[in-house]
Amino acid sequence: QQQVKQSPQSLIVQKGGISIINCAYENTAFDYFPWYQQFPGKGPALLIAIRPDVSEKKEGRFTISFNKSAKQFSLHIMDSQPGDSATYFCAASPRNAGNNRKLIWGLGTSLGVNP
Amino acid sequence: SAVISQKPSRDICQRGTSLTIQCQVDSQVTMMFWYRQQPGQSLTLIATANQGSEATYESGFVIDKFPISRPNLTFSTLTVSNMSPEDSSIYLCSGDRIYGYTFGSGTRLTVV
Repeated sequence: QQQVKQSPQSLIVQKGGISIINCAYENTAFDYFPWYQQFPGKGPALLIAIRPDVSEKKEGRFTISFNKSAKQFSLHIMDSQPGDSATYFCAASPRNAGNNRKLIWGLGTSLGVNP
Repeated sequence: SAVISQKPSRDICQRGTSLTIQCQVDSQVTMMFWYRQQPGQSLTLIATANQGSEATYESGFVIDKFPISRPNLTFSTLTVSNMSPEDSSIYLCSGDRIYGYTFGSGTRLTVV
């Protein structure tokens, strides 16, 4: 059972456009929601993360929107650039669960930005 | 954020042999995680390793196949034992810091 559902599986946008990736979760114990960016041959790198006490977090061109009642969160990449072409993963975890803080991962979105 | 050095970066191994993957973190981390990732797919957690205790394995993964050591707060190893071609994958280690989880660059394993 996929506890974190991510969509779309792949996405192509034009340079300068907005890329939007969505995730939905089921477990209300989750209280930490990171997004990771992964380039081929590299490990995932933390991009931005949010906790459920805020509805939005922005870091540069990257914004997380969080809807606690709907149990959904999304990543918005403004002014998308070819260098943003990568695979993006959403994840969730119960951050304060002692030794059970493992991340639950979405299946990933392959983003391509056309020049 | 913490930097994790993982080695080897890649290896080609004969079936029936074992490979030990090492991860060194440049600062202390409470928990370390070992993942497997098929190209183009998501990450699958193998086990969680705390210092000084037995690793906790996820369903479908057993200690005899994937023994893990965690001798201190900055180092861990994962051994892939008695390898078969089905073990060909990318193996990643991750460390849990208060500001998030950081990853090594991965070990690309091919079993022939």
